Amino acid sequence: GAGVSQSPSNKVTEKGKDVELRCDPISGHTALYWYRQRLGQGLEFLIYFQGNSAPDKSGLPSDRFSAERTGESVSTLTIQRTQQEDSAVYLCASSFGAPGELFFGEGSRLTVL
Amino acid sequence: QKEVEQNSGPLSVPEGAIASLNCTYSDRVSQSFFWYRQYSGKSPELIMSIYSNGDKEDGRFTAQLNKASQYVSLLIRDSQPSDSATYLCASDSNYQLIWGAGTKLIIKP
Repeated sequence: GAGVSQSPSNKVTEKGKDVELRCDPISGHTALYWYRQRLGQGLEFLIYFQGNSAPDKSGLPSDRFSAERTGESVSTLTIQRTQQEDSAVYLCASSFGAPGELFFGEGSRLTVL
Repeated sequence: QKEVEQNSGPLSVPEGAIASLNCTYSDRVSQSFFWYRQYSGKSPELIMSIYSNGDKEDGRFTAQLNKASQYVSLLIRDSQPSDSATYLCASDSNYQLIWGAGTKLIIKP
């Protein structure tokens, strides 16, 4: 596709349920990032994938969070046993080459009731 | 801890004036700096990148970098109401970006 695609755009779930968020990066982009942005706050780094290298998971806030990426394609972010504090917009971004020139998807807005 | 600092604002500027947004960073090793614009409810989009000391101009936007002072700025000339947004400053740290919290800019007609 022309841009980074994320789904679902909105997800409302009950506390304790698992959710899976999907990101389809721009074709050919080797780097993929997940960020979390709470309402009125800045970007919080979660995880970084680069090609087939081991991902940098240093930003994942707890073991309830995990992410996978197959090669240089789609990535999924999974949140298990969701909590109300997980409510946020989850942003995916991809890049090719220059590490700072990121292209963001529209985000997945997660609301945990 | 590596940090990027920005004044949260809001910064209010009359239409047609120059908006000046500032950012400081703590990691002296950083070589690349970026300005992203984020409209309310939307995702960030890259508007300027700068890698060398001095000025870089792109249309109405000018990015300025002073590595000795660890200071980056963004000037927006002839400000328009459509420039109203939050502007995020970021610096590189290996493959990561260190993000500022953003400055909210309001252009008043």
